[in-house]
Amino acid sequence: GENVEQHPSTLSVQEGDSAVIKCTYSDSASNYFPWYKQELGKRPQLIIDIRSNVGEKKDQRIAVTLNKTAKHFSLHITETQPEDSAVYFCAARSGGNTPLVFGKGTRLSVIA
Amino acid sequence: EAGVVQSPRYKIIEKKQPVAFWCNPISGHNTLYWYLQNLGQGPELLIRYENEEAVDDSQLPKDRFSAERLKGVDSTLKIQPAELGDSAVYLCASSDRAVGTGELFFGEGSRLTVL
Repeated sequence: GENVEQHPSTLSVQEGDSAVIKCTYSDSASNYFPWYKQELGKRPQLIIDIRSNVGEKKDQRIAVTLNKTAKHFSLHITETQPEDSAVYFCAARSGGNTPLVFGKGTRLSVIA
Repeated sequence: EAGVVQSPRYKIIEKKQPVAFWCNPISGHNTLYWYLQNLGQGPELLIRYENEEAVDDSQLPKDRFSAERLKGVDSTLKIQPAELGDSAVYLCASSDRAVGTGELFFGEGSRLTVL
């Protein structure tokens, strides 16, 4: 089955700097890659996703890139703000009938 | 519109006691998931329902865990008897396969502490 590795496990950045979180996946058939943000004690919420037919997607300060050949995808947050502090999870799915497999998460701390 | 609703939010029990968690998915979502989230870890799938049918329960420890989704709407996850290692957050999620990528919408979770 699918296996998703996520790095780093913790990340601290100064406010205004950029943050990058990287994930690798094992199943070459995976075609959907969402990113979820989970604030302390809250539910995970989708912040951005990408399908395998595109290489990059942006939404304001957040972007995701996908390298299908290398089987890795990354989350980029620019101009970080204290409210970006949370745990971020990447995930992968190999088809509409298969469940999402999550990475172990990255705890991002944005220092004001 | 209400999101995914779970109850209870918190539960503390003694080991060997039973416990049950309830989930009400978003109206119209045919797919329902139960995920286990240990502290500092990502969600791990326990069971997935398509309507009332469990289509993926390979990760559910069937000796002590059971789940049901009667009438293809609400779902209940039960643990009997609970063990110390069951302390975790139990997340319910739902999705609508007919819509795009089938985004998962999570509930707030049920945090279980087994003493």
